[in-house]
Amino acid sequence: DVKVTQSSRYLVKRTGEKVFLECVQDMDHENMFWYRQDPGLGLRLIYFSYDVKMKEKGDIPEGYSVSREKKERFSLILESASTNQTSMYLCASSPGQETQYFGPGTRLLVL
Amino acid sequence: GENVEQHPSTLSVQEGDSAVIKCTYSDSASNYFPWYKQELGKRPQLIIDIRSNVGEKKDQRIAVTLNKTAKHFSLHITETQPEDSAVYFCAALTDDGSSNTGKLIFGQGTTLQVKP
Repeated sequence: DVKVTQSSRYLVKRTGEKVFLECVQDMDHENMFWYRQDPGLGLRLIYFSYDVKMKEKGDIPEGYSVSREKKERFSLILESASTNQTSMYLCASSPGQETQYFGPGTRLLVL
Repeated sequence: GENVEQHPSTLSVQEGDSAVIKCTYSDSASNYFPWYKQELGKRPQLIIDIRSNVGEKKDQRIAVTLNKTAKHFSLHITETQPEDSAVYFCAALTDDGSSNTGKLIFGQGTTLQVKP
């Protein structure tokens, strides 16, 4: 079974704080993704990575950065959290271009 | 940019009835279309997918149809049960040509409620 884990299920941060969201997968997948999920907007891609140290911007990268130092770990960084970044954050991994396996999600509240 | 439109946003059916969710996509080069189910408080999970070389795929009570000419695809659930209640997302794989992997563009989601 593919296992994708995220470091926190719930997180509360203050405006301006630097926030780190961690994602780990145990299936040696090449590709990893970060999405945010908001009601009525579906899943929107923030960043993705197809190899160690490689990253590509998704559809809404502003205000975010990522890091992939090891194949199994993909981190999402909010440099200076803002209230409009309150959301559910989902990480996913895939072995190729198709099926993606999701983590449980991190619900982030920025006050 | 590429886009996937999903309708309806909410759907309520009686147990035993059928449910249909429709999606349209904009990238004519898309060739892979998965459907994910997300139960309340849980992660999205793949339930069925279809590739552009087939027009229909079925797995027990769920089926997906694809019309490449019209650029739309649909999820059909027959004999619905209360455990089918969830949010369903369609997606289309798109490749902007600048990276080694495609991106999934997701629809906005459909909240399905199956009333006992």
